[in-house]
Amino acid sequence: EVQLVESGGGLVQPGRSLRLSCAASGFTFSDHWMHWVRQAPGKGPVWVSRINSDGSSTSYADSVRGRFTISRDNAKNMLYLQMNSLRAEDTAVYYCARVAAGAKYYDNVWGDWGQGILVTVSS
Amino acid sequence: EIVMTQSPATLSVSPGERATLSCRASQSVSTNLAWYQQKPGQAPRLLIYDASTRATGIPARFSGSGSGTEFTLTISSLQSEDFALYYCQQYNNWPLFGPGTRVDIK
Repeated sequence: EVQLVESGGGLVQPGRSLRLSCAASGFTFSDHWMHWVRQAPGKGPVWVSRINSDGSSTSYADSVRGRFTISRDNAKNMLYLQMNSLRAEDTAVYYCARVAAGAKYYDNVWGDWGQGILVTVSS
Repeated sequence: EIVMTQSPATLSVSPGERATLSCRASQSVSTNLAWYQQKPGQAPRLLIYDASTRATGIPARFSGSGSGTEFTLTISSLQSEDFALYYCQQYNNWPLFGPGTRVDIK
């Protein structure tokens, strides 16, 4: 069974940093592109970032480019999101997600999601 | 920049009835369109991708159709567990979700 478990969220002041982690199990992590998707309270989901299977290629939404860094450790089956210069508008539940089984490996469509972790940016 | 719209915003349906949800893209997304279901406190659940392919484990009462700019999600006979929020999402360009349609009990 595929499991994705996020950790590292919490309350942080504007301008500070936070690192999210996602522990993956139940599949060959190193074979899959991985993503972060966030959802602000009462709003729809928004894609944040993606990383290819070996970590050599990354992409970001305009709203986080230059502030957030996605990375992975395939030896530990871990996905990370380093979030710097946090703003109030970054407040959201953050999900790690895997491309859907059956979809093309590079497609931005997600069949497996973690339970999500809340990040609150407030003074 | 692509804009996604969904209609109606809220759909009131009786159990056992058919529900038809619409999604429109401001420019063609080919068939790179997915549908998700979300319940309070839960992550989105993928129902349909590539406009009409059911995801693993999704019941046959869920079906998707369309291409280009107009898409439809049909739930043939609503079950109690289907009352939820539904989002469409295009992935022809950088991924973008629509605003959602809430399906509630009539």
